[in-house]
Amino acid sequence: EVQLVESGGGLVQPGRSLRLSCAASGFEFDDFAMHWVRQVPGKGLEWVSSITWNGGTRAYADSVKGRFTISRDNAKNSLYLQMNSLRIEDTALYYCTKDREIVFTGFDYWGQGILVTVSS
Amino acid sequence: SYVLTQPPSVSVAPGKTAMITCGGNNIGRKSVYWYQQKPGQAPVLVIYYDSDRPSGIPERFSGSNSGNTATLTISRVEAGDEADYYCQVWDSSSDQGVFGGGTKVTVL
Repeated sequence: EVQLVESGGGLVQPGRSLRLSCAASGFEFDDFAMHWVRQVPGKGLEWVSSITWNGGTRAYADSVKGRFTISRDNAKNSLYLQMNSLRIEDTALYYCTKDREIVFTGFDYWGQGILVTVSS
Repeated sequence: SYVLTQPPSVSVAPGKTAMITCGGNNIGRKSVYWYQQKPGQAPVLVIYYDSDRPSGIPERFSGSNSGNTATLTISRVEAGDEADYYCQVWDSSSDQGVFGGGTKVTVL
């Protein structure tokens, strides 16, 4: 059974940093691209960032480019999102998602999400 | 950047057919994914590659994609189909994921 479990969220002040982690199990982690998607409560889904199976290609939404860094550790079956210079508008539920392929297509499994609240 | 447009809401009577559109420039040239999200839950993939269903998704869910419009069709709608539905593509020209704004399906 595929499982994606996010951690590392919480309350943080504007301008500070936070690192999200996603522990993956139930599939060959290094055979698939991985992604982060976020959702402001009550609003729609927003794609945030993606990384190919070997980390060779990374992609970012314009809203987070230059502030967020996606990475993965295939030996630990883990995905990460380093979030720097956080803004109030980064407040959202962040989902770790698995791609169907090694490159970027769509998201076939989702974690339950972790809440990030940016507030002074 | 690439934009996907969905109607905010669709209402349908039980047993009838719901059609949710997703408009985008030449979307027919892209692979479209559809997700169902019920309140308080993570999204679930219901259609991939325009029209394929993951295991466990009822045959009542089908998809099509041509020209500038992709469509998710839910046949014989049930009360349990009430949810928000999102379309998604990968825009290779900008190397970014794109979601539609979502459509709330209400079962009357």
